[in-house]
Amino acid sequence: QSVLTQPPSVSAAPGQKVTISCSGSSSNIGNNYVSWYQQLPGTAPKLLIYDNNKRPSGIPDRFSGSKSGTSATLGITGLQTGDEADYYCGTWDSSLSEGVFGGGTKLTVL
Amino acid sequence: QVQLVQSGAEVKKPGASVKVSCKASGYTFTSYYMHWVRQAPGQGLEWMGIINPSGGSTSYAQKFQGRVTMTRDTSTSTVYMELSSLRSEDTAVYYCARDTDTAMSDWGQGTLVTVSS
Repeated sequence: QSVLTQPPSVSAAPGQKVTISCSGSSSNIGNNYVSWYQQLPGTAPKLLIYDNNKRPSGIPDRFSGSKSGTSATLGITGLQTGDEADYYCGTWDSSLSEGVFGGGTKLTVL
Repeated sequence: QVQLVQSGAEVKKPGASVKVSCKASGYTFTSYYMHWVRQAPGQGLEWMGIINPSGGSTSYAQKFQGRVTMTRDTSTSTVYMELSSLRSEDTAVYYCARDTDTAMSDWGQGTLVTVSS
């Protein structure tokens, strides 16, 4: 059982937009920065979003992040088949003094 | 460019220990903490702990307390994660990931550890 809650799967057509939610509590998302990771099949995770809404260099602006209260959201526009992957949210939990992740969301581009 | 290169796959028997290495390059090794994260087959990411390569201080997830030890060698810019008393549930891919205060910015390629009798 993950500390952060994500939907197991989402899907959308190429060119469309999708959002992935990540729900937590005041001890994690509510008081710490959220990051998002993309894991393509058979590869290591890759940082997509950090500090709630910042993109590392090289990440296209089709990817965006936001946070409100104890929830965070990853948005992807202009979906491409190459975006099919597992997406994870992550943050620090101040009560546990541990890093925590969501259970992951599998994105299917139909 | 930042590179984290991990040691190769391991097969261990239940009750044994495994030590995975992660060699860093492309940045000042002692300036960034390093996380260890694992992923069981078909499962999500699980945080194991973090080490400060500068002083060697560590913080472990409660789940692994007493079984995990993270160390570093500044002369070779390498961090190590040793997990003892292995059981089948420890079969997973183990990743090191560089910390940039609020995120894990760079990841190693992963090391598959298989625990089987």
